[in-house]
Amino acid sequence: NAGVTQTPKFQVLKTGQSMTLQCAQDMNHEYMSWYRQDPGMGLRLIHYSVGAGITDQGEVPNGYNVSRSTTEDFPLRLLSAAPSQTSVYFCASSYSLAGISYEQYFGPGTRLTVT
Amino acid sequence: GDSVTQMEGPVTLSEEAFLTINCTYTATGYPSLFWYVQYPGEGLQLLLKATKADDKGSNKGFEATYRKETTSFHLEKGSVQVSDSAVYFCALLYPTDTGRRALTFGSGTRLQVQP
Repeated sequence: NAGVTQTPKFQVLKTGQSMTLQCAQDMNHEYMSWYRQDPGMGLRLIHYSVGAGITDQGEVPNGYNVSRSTTEDFPLRLLSAAPSQTSVYFCASSYSLAGISYEQYFGPGTRLTVT
Repeated sequence: GDSVTQMEGPVTLSEEAFLTINCTYTATGYPSLFWYVQYPGEGLQLLLKATKADDKGSNKGFEATYRKETTSFHLEKGSVQVSDSAVYFCALLYPTDTGRRALTFGSGTRLQVQP
């Protein structure tokens, strides 16, 4: 299993450009999410999905769109890039356990710089 | 809302020293608690977890005990190695009725172990 994969690893955009960060998982996890990591702030949730066709907003959704057409893929779209979106983006997936803990598996991240 | 507070880093230790990284949380109900580790240039990896009060999570010589009375989940290791140098994140998960399983992260603690 490849686990959670993300592409690209690095990206530089100019202000106003759009792009899509790709995320895929091969573990048949129903839950997927996007986080951004900024210095000194831990990770913050952007959007999440509880299954194909179902998405919802997290803490910091503005400027980002998502869709979930398959269980495996959960792309994150930046509509009009801004310097405030310079960050490292992580995709994660998880599965349900009998108890109340949900282990989340993270991709290697995409480092995005907006100039 | 839920929150996680970690001791600020960096924490610099000599090889074979004892490690403690403090983590306290505020949450309603009974969240699951996690420690994640991020090695340079990589994504987050689950280090250990605990799902209920007095549970002890352990992995690779690291331990943490879920203390409900002090709302803490401190990470400890008896003898650190240079290879333990990384950023450590404490996190909690409190699933909601909507199915949201977002991790709430602390800001991370950088550990540097010197030979």
